[in-house]
Amino acid sequence: QVQLVQSGAEVKKPGSSVKVSCKASGGTFSSYTISWVRQAPGQGLEWMGRIIPILGIANYAQKFQGRVTITADKSTSTAYMELSSLRSEDTAVYYCARGEPGDYWGQGTLVTVSS
Amino acid sequence: EIVMTQSPATLSVSPGERATLSCRASQSVSSNLAWYQQKPGQAPRLLIYGASTRATGIPARFSGSGSGTEFTLTISSLQSEDFAVYYCQQYNNWPRTFGGGTKVEIK
Repeated sequence: QVQLVQSGAEVKKPGSSVKVSCKASGGTFSSYTISWVRQAPGQGLEWMGRIIPILGIANYAQKFQGRVTITADKSTSTAYMELSSLRSEDTAVYYCARGEPGDYWGQGTLVTVSS
Repeated sequence: EIVMTQSPATLSVSPGERATLSCRASQSVSSNLAWYQQKPGQAPRLLIYGASTRATGIPARFSGSGSGTEFTLTISSLQSEDFAVYYCQQYNNWPRTFGGGTKVEIK
């Protein structure tokens, strides 16, 4: 069956960058978009951007423009989300999801930004 | 960006009762509206897409309706496993946006 497995939790310093991976199995990776959604502690869901792996084209929410980069490696069926210039407000669980809307989700990756 | 407003923020319902959740878009999203369920410590789970189509494996007690700017998720008879937070999301315009969520709690 389809599975999205994300990389492990990260602790980062303010001003640094984090790169989270999302490896897909059980389906045709390139046929679907991969979106990234985050959730701050006790808060709702926030859409960050998405990529179409077969085209390599990404779209981003204006809020994250310039700080986020979403890429995909078709050879390993893995998508990546890199967020730079981290600040404390970026502390959140980051999810990847397949398709629009997301029918399969990764387990989430906690990114903690703290000095 | 399109603002999605969910109401109420919290809904207290007894098991076996009906729950009706609302989602309003600040402008038309056609039928490009999804509903998700999220339980503590878990990823969201897709319930409804296209405003009214149940996702694979979703029980028939979940139903969605609406189009344009007004949408409703109805849970016909709440089971214990349905107590959770529910989010709507529009995927008609950029950026995709979520509502703030409705928490369905046990009365």
